[in-house]
Amino acid sequence: EIVLTQSPGTLSLSPGERATLSCRASQSISSSYLTWYQQKPGQAPRLVIFGASSRAPGIPDRFSGSGSGTDFTLTISRLEPEDFAMYYCHQYGRSLWTFGQGTKVEIK
Amino acid sequence: HRVESGGGVVQPGGSLRLSCAASGFPFSNYGIHWVRQTPGKGLEWVSFIRYDGAYKFYADSVQGRFTISRDNSKNTLYLQMSGLRAEDTAVYYCARDFSSSGSYPDFWGQGTLVTVSS
Repeated sequence: EIVLTQSPGTLSLSPGERATLSCRASQSISSSYLTWYQQKPGQAPRLVIFGASSRAPGIPDRFSGSGSGTDFTLTISRLEPEDFAMYYCHQYGRSLWTFGQGTKVEIK
Repeated sequence: HRVESGGGVVQPGGSLRLSCAASGFPFSNYGIHWVRQTPGKGLEWVSFIRYDGAYKFYADSVQGRFTISRDNSKNTLYLQMSGLRAEDTAVYYCARDFSSSGSYPDFWGQGTLVTVSS
């Protein structure tokens, strides 16, 4: 089973700052099946990035994804108040789907 | 649009069936997942069923205890849960897969809470 490890656990930033979230896989994975989700308290997760670097419909262009192999990054270029939330990376492979443990982006 | 139902409080060892009624998209064309979230914690993938129900996959933690199924004539997904344990307590989400045969969840329901407690 592929394990996804996200870092940091919590990111404390101010609106307007840049957020860089990391997701590391225990073995190489296909970029096609690396996704990122945003979740706010009391809400269902929302797809943000698919295929490691493609924005989901309706996601603002301040969100970007990059990476390949075992190391992936979600970047939010300038944090808006609505961006403070939990973020999870996710991968699919060999008929198993796994999530990272999440990174909380909180207001400093 | 996806609406989960069937959650509630159940004793350890008991059973429960969750339903997910879908609308707004051609249900029979898409694979569907169940994903759960323990209160205050992260997401855990539970199960996936292909668009036609021919292939089903489970997480090790629920294999042999949970059964996923679908009725395409009713646009409804099910999760039959038995042998429930305290660690199964979670919000259960159904989530549409981007494809018919399995890639990633793209749209999620609002979830239904299952509490396993005596």
